[in-house]
Amino acid sequence: SYELTQPPSVSVSPGQTARITCSGDALPKKYAYWYQQKSGQAPVLVIYEDSKRPSGIPERFSGSSSGTMATLTISGAQVEDEADYYCYSTDSSGNRGVFGGGTKLTVL
Amino acid sequence: EVQLVQSGAEVKKPGESLKISCKGSGYSFTSYWIGWVRQMPGKGLEWMGIIYPGDSDTRYSPSFQGQVTISADKSISTAYLQWSSLKASDTAMYYCARLEQLVPEYWGQGTLVTVSS
Repeated sequence: SYELTQPPSVSVSPGQTARITCSGDALPKKYAYWYQQKSGQAPVLVIYEDSKRPSGIPERFSGSSSGTMATLTISGAQVEDEADYYCYSTDSSGNRGVFGGGTKLTVL
Repeated sequence: EVQLVQSGAEVKKPGESLKISCKGSGYSFTSYWIGWVRQMPGKGLEWMGIIYPGDSDTRYSPSFQGQVTISADKSISTAYLQWSSLKASDTAMYYCARLEQLVPEYWGQGTLVTVSS
C-alpha cells in the first residue's frame, strides 16, 4: 500500500526556520497537502496543492515539492507553531487518500 | 459557514455495536464527499474511507474494509460510521471531514470512542 514518510520530530529555536519533509513515490504526479494539529484539536489545513496557503494561515508557512519529496517550511517559527504536522496526498489511482506518519515540531 | 458537527463521546464494551454521526450544514451536503479519519491514542491520522451522499458511493481503505460501515442519510445531511462488534483496539478519536477532490478541507470536532470491559 502507498506510504508517505515523514521524520518523527523536528526541533528549532524560536525565530529559526523549521523544515519538515514528506517523501512518497506518487508525489511527482500528485499534490501534497499539509495539516497542523495542536493538542486536543482537529487538524487544520495550512498548505494545499504543494505550495498554496489558505486564507488566515500566516505567511511564515510555505510549501514546496520536487520529485518524490514535499517540504513544509515555517520561516521564523513561533512557540505557537508547536504542533504535529501531517502531510497528505492521494495514491497513484487517485481513489484513496493517505496521511504521512506525522512530525512533532518543538519550538523551544 | 460550513460546519460538521459530530455526535458525542461514547464508552462501550467489547462486542457491542455503535453508530456515530456527522451532520453537515452551510453547504450542499449531497455535492461533496465525506471522509472518516481515525486517530488512535498518541498516534497519527489514518484515512478510513469516504462516501458521496448524493448517491451513497462508498470507498474504504483496505485496512478498514469489512471492519466498519460508512453510510449517509441525505434527507438529514448526516453521515455515519458504524461497528457491529467493537474491539478494544477500536478505541480512538474519529473525525469526519468534508472533502474537496479527495482532500479533507473542513473537519468535525471529533468523536472519542472508548471500548473497555
